[in-house]
Amino acid sequence: DTEVTQTPKHLVMGMTNKKSLKCEQHMGHRAMYWYKQKAKKPPELMFVYSYEKLSINESVPSRFSPECPNSSLLNLHLHALQPEDSALYLCASSQDMRGDTEAFFGQGTRLTVV
Amino acid sequence: TQLLEQSPQFLSIQEGENLTVYCNSSSVFSSLQWYRQEPGEGPVLLVTVVTGGEVKKLKRLTFQFGDARKDSSLHITAAQPGDTGLYLCAGDPSNTGKLIFGQGTTLQVKP
Repeated sequence: DTEVTQTPKHLVMGMTNKKSLKCEQHMGHRAMYWYKQKAKKPPELMFVYSYEKLSINESVPSRFSPECPNSSLLNLHLHALQPEDSALYLCASSQDMRGDTEAFFGQGTRLTVV
Repeated sequence: TQLLEQSPQFLSIQEGENLTVYCNSSSVFSSLQWYRQEPGEGPVLLVTVVTGGEVKKLKRLTFQFGDARKDSSLHITAAQPGDTGLYLCAGDPSNTGKLIFGQGTTLQVKP
């Protein structure tokens, strides 16, 4: 099973709303990632968690707040977003953070900020 | 600075043609991964190349890792409409968990 599950698949939110994206994997992976992808562009790394601790934050604005409640779950809390934050948000997991490890991606959450 | 340069960025071909996509860097990678992504979906891992000079085949797809582990290529033989999608190479140049992507190659195969 190489499945990473993301919910919801689609989300429309206003600029004053608070919402959360959820990601789950049951492969025993200890590294989990959030990526943002705009149309016709490659995914851009946002955050990396390793063993449930935040390891990498790619200078992401504080209106995006990640959380890793346990080794299988990864959340991304959203607050006061801007329309330019509309994008496909991808979660991924890998066995660990070694450079040769394979990453498996979820189907993504299509976020629209209105 | 783009650490992974992919070319071409767009490719539109007829069914049955062959094509090659290139992924180049000035950095050495312990491995490179190739993904295929369809619109609105997440990237799906196709293959990981680890050893310099390695060649891996996946049906009509052939992946090669350069001897110096700085570049890779994807060759598709007799392309089919089902091969249409965004092809992405990815790697972690600093071995710190920062998996980065090339710009991607959008492939369209016309029937």
